[in-house]
Amino acid sequence: DTGVSQNPRHKITKRGQNVTFRCDPISEHNRLYWYRQTLGQGPEFLTYFQNEAQLEKSRLLSDRFSAERPKGSFSTLEIQRTEQGDSAMYLCASSSYRGATYEQYFGPGTRLTVT
Amino acid sequence: GDSVTQMEGPVTLSEEAFLTINCTYTATGYPSLFWYVQYPGEGLQLLLKATKADDKGSNKGFEATYRKETTSFHLEKGSVQVSDSAVYFCALGTGGGNKLTFGTGTQLKVEL
Repeated sequence: DTGVSQNPRHKITKRGQNVTFRCDPISEHNRLYWYRQTLGQGPEFLTYFQNEAQLEKSRLLSDRFSAERPKGSFSTLEIQRTEQGDSAMYLCASSSYRGATYEQYFGPGTRLTVT
Repeated sequence: GDSVTQMEGPVTLSEEAFLTINCTYTATGYPSLFWYVQYPGEGLQLLLKATKADDKGSNKGFEATYRKETTSFHLEKGSVQVSDSAVYFCALGTGGGNKLTFGTGTQLKVEL
């Protein structure tokens, strides 16, 4: 049973550059979520997909952020024109329905540093 | 909007001490409630959950009861071990997508 995987694990980029992260969910999970976590805080919801459809986006997800899940399997999160405030850990989760609720399982995260 | 408030850490305990980490929430409707744990250098792991009032979630000796009247979901363990040292996050799940709203986390350090 492979868990959620994320690549890369670390990314250092210069301000103004574009970056893309990838998430591979647990294979039988049809829901996929992106969260952002800054130091000393809990994760904050960004967006989620059911299969290939993006069903909800947080207002935290500015126009510079875009997420896709083209075939309902892996997902990508792109940040355009990065800013120093984008430095954070980006977490992906996928979920299964179990025990009357959706349980989310998290990947290890991609740590982004914008210099 | 939805929110979760956790007791601030760090919490430092001796091994075999009793643990309580307080968590209260504000939400519309009937959220599901979760505790996640993050061990040093690792990702978030689901520890336990409860989906309706008076439900008790339990796992690895940890317990939490969904108290609707006090909007609380406090985490307890009768006897902590050094290996329980980690950051604990309380979260609520709402909406059709069950998106999670997290607290800020409570760091637990258990010493011999």
